[in-house]
Amino acid sequence: EAGVAQSPRYKIIEKRQSVAFWCNPISGHATLYWYQQILGQGPKLLIQFQNNGVVDDSQLPKDRFSAERLKGVDSTLKIQPAKLEDSAVYLCACSLVGTEAFFGQGTRLTVV
Amino acid sequence: SQQGEEDPQALSIQEGENATMNCSYKTSINNLQWYRQNSGRGLVHLILIRSNEREKHSGRLRVTLDTSKKSSSLLITASRAADTASYFCATDAGGNEKLTFGTGTRLTIIP
Repeated sequence: EAGVAQSPRYKIIEKRQSVAFWCNPISGHATLYWYQQILGQGPKLLIQFQNNGVVDDSQLPKDRFSAERLKGVDSTLKIQPAKLEDSAVYLCACSLVGTEAFFGQGTRLTVV
Repeated sequence: SQQGEEDPQALSIQEGENATMNCSYKTSINNLQWYRQNSGRGLVHLILIRSNEREKHSGRLRVTLDTSKKSSSLLITASRAADTASYFCATDAGGNEKLTFGTGTRLTIIP
């Protein structure tokens, strides 16, 4: 089966600019996660979808981050405006109920 | 917030030796999972152990789970250079399958 697709792979923007990341999960996987991974740290959950509904967004900085999952399939994560501390790898993952998560290769964001 | 913490933070061993990593967590879980991450790449699932299981094997991997101590260990036997990576535990807790990762162990296998 096809894996989790993410784009772009790399992005460099200036602070205060906006950026969007896209994720196409494995077909049929109802749960979708967005994680932020700062260099040297473990992935931090930003938002979790079950189909197209938000299950958990307790650690999403909602003043600047937003995410949506269209028709319970693809998902986009947006940052507006970006700050220097947003420099990280943004990982998308998906899973079936009660099973392991499958991860994309991630988008490496550098804010300068 | 991080649910789990791995110990040690970094580990270097000779090729062929066994590597053991530990994970402690804070709340009751449905299952605990271990992942590997090679530098600059996505995470790859290694093994999942459910809360009612105590031990699980997969190839050269052995995972144990002690729910009374809220801890798990990952043993990699007969290590290879290709095992060099960061290893993370992740807990699935609560009713919504929230998957929370620990801080990771950086494993280096010396040829």
